[in-house]
Amino acid sequence: DQQVKQNSPSLSVQEGRISILNCDYTNSMFDYFLWYKKYPAEGPTFLISISSIKDKNEDGRFTVFLNKSAKHLSLHIVPSQPGDSAVYFCAATYDYKLSFGAGTTVTVRA
Amino acid sequence: SQTIHQWPATLVQPVGSPLSLECTVEGTSNPNLYWYRQAAGRGLQLLFYSVGIGQISSEVPQNLSASRPQDRQFILSSKKLLLSDSGFYLCAWSRDGEQYFGPGTRLTVT
Repeated sequence: DQQVKQNSPSLSVQEGRISILNCDYTNSMFDYFLWYKKYPAEGPTFLISISSIKDKNEDGRFTVFLNKSAKHLSLHIVPSQPGDSAVYFCAATYDYKLSFGAGTTVTVRA
Repeated sequence: SQTIHQWPATLVQPVGSPLSLECTVEGTSNPNLYWYRQAAGRGLQLLFYSVGIGQISSEVPQNLSASRPQDRQFILSSKKLLLSDSGFYLCAWSRDGEQYFGPGTRLTVT
């Protein structure tokens, strides 16, 4: 059963514009949420996280928003840059384990 | 600083052959360790996790097994590989809810 869902498999955005990636989850026990970025043939790299007690966390160009009542998470990248082209995974954790979404492939167009 | 190593980086094995993938972590003690698999076009699937030496939890029934012979060593094994075992295998360690991934092993079963 997929507890973390990324319903958009791909996203294309123009350089300089905002990228918005969405994620939904079903398990109300999740207490920490993360976003990872992955290039082909490499391991995912940690990008940004948010605790369930917060609704927003910002780090440079990356902002993560959490709406607990809707069980919804989003990642905003502003402005988008060509190096941001990658697969982005949403993840949620409870009791040592991380559950991942299927990923969204972001392509930033020049 | 902490680093995580995986080897080999790539592996081509015939169906029915054994498998041994190794992961080691440096710069931390008693980490939680994880094995994930990313199959083509899919998200990250948690296979095993370990909270200590000799303690292994399996998430998905399969022909794979894991062992943790030392505090910072995690091994993924199989006695007989199947075609469906092909994929990208990732080892990770965690601290404070965040997981950090190794570079991965690309396994192709022929």
